[in-house]
Amino acid sequence: QKEVEQDPGPLSVPEGAIVSLNCTYSNSAFQYFMWYRQYSRKGPELLMYTYSSGNKEDGRFTAQVDKSSKYISLFIRDSQPSDSATYLCANSGGSNYKLTFGKGTLLTVNP
Amino acid sequence: SQTIHQWPATLVQPVGSPLSLECTVEGTSNPNLYWYRQAAGRGLQLLFYSVGIGQISSEVPQNLSASRPQDRQFILSSKKLLLSDSGFYLCAWSVGTGANEQFFGPGTRLTVL
Repeated sequence: QKEVEQDPGPLSVPEGAIVSLNCTYSNSAFQYFMWYRQYSRKGPELLMYTYSSGNKEDGRFTAQVDKSSKYISLFIRDSQPSDSATYLCANSGGSNYKLTFGKGTLLTVNP
Repeated sequence: SQTIHQWPATLVQPVGSPLSLECTVEGTSNPNLYWYRQAAGRGLQLLFYSVGIGQISSEVPQNLSASRPQDRQFILSSKKLLLSDSGFYLCAWSVGTGANEQFFGPGTRLTVL
């Protein structure tokens, strides 16, 4: 079983829709959870960073972590065409310097 | 504020040729530095990471090597490129101990022909 599973999509939504992106993980040692956004041919940029279970909100973005079910989500409200990108989840156990990434979900928001 | 640079942005090299990709970070001291490769449909693969000058950890055995000659400089090299070395190479940095968030550079797109 891969350590981090992420539906690759592609996911296509109309502008203004609420988008839900999800990852599951298998390693119970994971304590830190991140979401990155990567535009085509660019480096990933950090969107959200969270440590504990629960929700963390930043503008139109909400990250949700459920450690009991090993499930993390990113919600995008009022999605915009500029949100069209690949979204990568990343997890870590905290005891080393390495992150484990999902393969990414390609999102397209249509105007 | 911190900035990370990578060059070149794109590179086309013949099989068997050498490689040198450079990454530098500004605005922070003693960063942890990482090299990743991203191949189409395969996600981010960690190649090397370094927690200090001269300290290199290799994640994947291959014909690539890394060096850190200065605190904020990280170099990825190869003596002889293979077709399978093609991909998008990303440098990243973090600070502190443990798995803090990492910040990525703009990347180098390498095509080996």
